Amino acid sequence: EAGVTQSPTHLIKTRGQQATLRCSPISGHTSVYWYQQALGLGLQFLLWYDEGEERNRGNFPPRFSGRQFPNYSSELNVNALELEDSALYLCASSLEGAGEKLFFGSGTQLSVL
Amino acid sequence: ELKVEQNPLFLSMQEGKNYTIYCNYSTTSDRLYWYRQDPGKSLESLFVLLSNGAVKQEGRLMASLDTKARLSTLHITAAVHDLSATYFCAVERGYGGATNKLIFGTGTLLAVQP
Repeated sequence: EAGVTQSPTHLIKTRGQQATLRCSPISGHTSVYWYQQALGLGLQFLLWYDEGEERNRGNFPPRFSGRQFPNYSSELNVNALELEDSALYLCASSLEGAGEKLFFGSGTQLSVL
Repeated sequence: ELKVEQNPLFLSMQEGKNYTIYCNYSTTSDRLYWYRQDPGKSLESLFVLLSNGAVKQEGRLMASLDTKARLSTLHITAAVHDLSATYFCAVERGYGGATNKLIFGTGTLLAVQP
């Protein structure tokens, strides 16, 4: 069974540009979570999607947004990139939105120059 | 606001030794998770602890939960080099509601020396 897949693996952008990160959950999982893992800051919760709707978001500015498609895959968009957006972005999926174990993808390493 | 603290942040230990990583959280929670992350890799789920007094063991790792003390421990027995990784605890808030999210601890970087 395929795990959570993320693309691209690496992404290099310059300040002010937009970045789009993609995530495919494990088959049958309806919930997708996005986390930011910046150097020295640990894992910070970004967004939670379930059944196509945004259920919750962390303390990030509105330029961080996303969506979940009918097939439960998800996109994370970051507009007006800033240097401090450089981080590993991890996507995770679970069977339900409430309490099921999360399965993480390998992440997208975003570098903003 | 829920805060999760781990200590130590860095642990260097010799093979064959025992040690414990601690995870404290600030408010009541519904579930606690332990994850492992190898360098450059994603997170791997180790344990899910669901209730007070829960204890789970796999191999040389054993996790326990004391919800009254808001404390979880990850005990390492007779460490081996393969256990070298960063270990995260994560606390869930809002189970069953619309505020579900995991709050992660800062992580403990474990280096097992031969």
